[in-house]
Amino acid sequence: QTVVTQEPSLTVSPGGTVTLTCASSTGAVTRGHHPNWFQQKPGQALRALIYDTSNKQSWTPARFSGSLLGDKAALTLSGVQPEDEAEYYCLLYHGGVQPWVFGGGTKLTVL
Amino acid sequence: EVQLVESGGGLVQPGGSLRLSCAASGFAFNRHWMTWVRQSPGKGLEWVANIKPDGREGYYVDSVKGRFIISRDNAKNSLFLQINSLRVEDTAVYYCARGGADWSEGDYWGQGTLVTVSS
Repeated sequence: QTVVTQEPSLTVSPGGTVTLTCASSTGAVTRGHHPNWFQQKPGQALRALIYDTSNKQSWTPARFSGSLLGDKAALTLSGVQPEDEAEYYCLLYHGGVQPWVFGGGTKLTVL
Repeated sequence: EVQLVESGGGLVQPGGSLRLSCAASGFAFNRHWMTWVRQSPGKGLEWVANIKPDGREGYYVDSVKGRFIISRDNAKNSLFLQINSLRVEDTAVYYCARGGADWSEGDYWGQGTLVTVSS
């Protein structure tokens, strides 16, 4: 069973920069995993941020960017705002018996 | 405006069945992949299934294969998830999502419908 791993929690100061990562138990994350990133806040619908590694949705603020960092997918927030406090999930494509697999989520605290 | 509204959740006994629906509006439904994702209480997200725009092929996470069936009615702009042989561990909020641009596995999301499996 494929496991996708994210940092359980991270803390960042307002205006700071933070990078969330997403690893796969199958090995290095590549563009072929087509990483997607989502934001979840309590009581709100899931919000898509990044697809296919680094493409932004039309509503994604410029301070969010997606990339590959070493053998992981990464979501970087530059100039963090208080409203960025949320849970962030990555989603990777693996095909086969587990086509898509979510990471466990990262709870980002802005403090 | 893109809207996705799920319905059909509820309390069901183990071994029971439910049919979840997702009513879509504001976009050309028959041009988009559609996806179901679930979230158990206090837990993370789990990708469940998706279906091609023409409805001819669906794909599933291994844990639901043979019990869940994803389908769609493009004439009625509706997505469905038939969930059978329900288990306690299927208790979750079930979300539907629209497939966006290439490899965008969910650009718009609904608010979800809660399925509770309990005796």
